[in-house]
Amino acid sequence: GAGVSQTPSNKVTEKGKYVELRCDPISGHTALYWYRQSLGQGPEFLIYFQGTGAADDSGLPNDRFFAVRPEGSVSTLKIQRTERGDSAVYLCASRVSGGLGELFFGEGSRLTVL
Amino acid sequence: DQQVKQNSPSLSVQEGRISILNCDYTNSMFDYFLWYKKYPAEGPTFLISISSIKDKNEDGRFTVFLNKSAKHLSLHIVPSQPGDSAVYFCAASETSYDKVIFGPGTSLSVIP
Repeated sequence: GAGVSQTPSNKVTEKGKYVELRCDPISGHTALYWYRQSLGQGPEFLIYFQGTGAADDSGLPNDRFFAVRPEGSVSTLKIQRTERGDSAVYLCASRVSGGLGELFFGEGSRLTVL
Repeated sequence: DQQVKQNSPSLSVQEGRISILNCDYTNSMFDYFLWYKKYPAEGPTFLISISSIKDKNEDGRFTVFLNKSAKHLSLHIVPSQPGDSAVYFCAASETSYDKVIFGPGTSLSVIP
């Protein structure tokens, strides 16, 4: 597709369950970012990948959160033992390495933990 | 500790007038700055950027000013249009490839 695609667009789960959120970046974009946005706040950095490796995962809040990008394209954000405080919109963005630095965002995955 | 601050949560401006959105940062290593616009239920979209070697960058109705000594930047929109009503985020990074840190946003309402 032309833009960053995120699935699912909405996910409702129960406390304690495992969740996976998927991001398909723009073709050819080597850098991929995950952010979390809570109501009334700005996007909070979680992790970013250059190719297959996590270049900076300093924003992951704890070890329940994990992300992979095994082939350097699609990425999956994995949340174990979800908590109500994990409810937020999870945004994915990609950009060309060596470009002007603009991030292209997807529409986000809204996660609600009951 | 919030490294990128937008101290005005909201701003209202009459159509046709200038909108000025402000942003302050604390990390003196930031050298690349971006502004994003966000409509409800959509992802943020890029507006304009500036690197620290410049103090001004202009793109149509949008101009960003950077004052490195004051660690301050501002986005000017002139003339403002009702379609500009959205949340605006200021963002910064230490290089053009590093993690990008966002501010909390300013909600702009342009009144017809």
